[in-house]
Amino acid sequence: AQTVTQSQPEMSVQEAETVTLSCTYDTSESDYYLFWYKQPPSRQMILVIRQEAYKQQNATENRFSVNFQKAAKSFSLKISDSQLGDAAMYFCACLSNSGYALNFGKGTSLLVTP
Amino acid sequence: GAGVSQSPRYKVAKRGQDVALRCDPISGHVSLFWYQQALGQGPEFLTYFQNEAQLDKSGLPSDRFFAERPEGSVSTLKIQRTQQEDSAVYLCASSLDGSFYNEQFFGPGTRLTVL
Repeated sequence: AQTVTQSQPEMSVQEAETVTLSCTYDTSESDYYLFWYKQPPSRQMILVIRQEAYKQQNATENRFSVNFQKAAKSFSLKISDSQLGDAAMYFCACLSNSGYALNFGKGTSLLVTP
Repeated sequence: GAGVSQSPRYKVAKRGQDVALRCDPISGHVSLFWYQQALGQGPEFLTYFQNEAQLDKSGLPSDRFFAERPEGSVSTLKIQRTQQEDSAVYLCASSLDGSFYNEQFFGPGTRLTVL
């Protein structure tokens, strides 16, 4: 079984600033993927970034990067140069190599202020 | 179509009514998933299809929930005798195959409200 915990129900950031969203997880699997999904008010879930557990290098996608600490089972998302369009719910999720169903956290609502 | 589509986008049902929610996956995607997202929560897995075979239905909350994908493309999630606790957004996702390294693409969801 896997559990994903997002301890920040809401976060706020000013436009152009940097914000970090936290996520911890628990899994007994040896290999797995971790994901951050963005869900704008329209509800379509969009993949932001993903990290395979055996890769030590932190994933980066433009303004989005992760800090993956495998031993601590921590997977935080850093958003640089925040934009108004970044405002959304952000979900952390885990998927093991023996499974197929994503296990999601409860989400963090990100507010971006001008 | 370019992405996963779902219909209807919104559904209001009276308690006890049956509802059917439709999902059109990305063309050629073998795997199809249904998730339930309660208000203020993350999505939770309901069921998984590979082509027309329902390989896992362990997340379906009760025997009132039934899903099918008879021709391996479009899928329908049916809820019989709806209850207020069934109110949620139902998300459909598809992927190229069930491999864990293939991205799941989500539809916009159907918001079900049971009165």
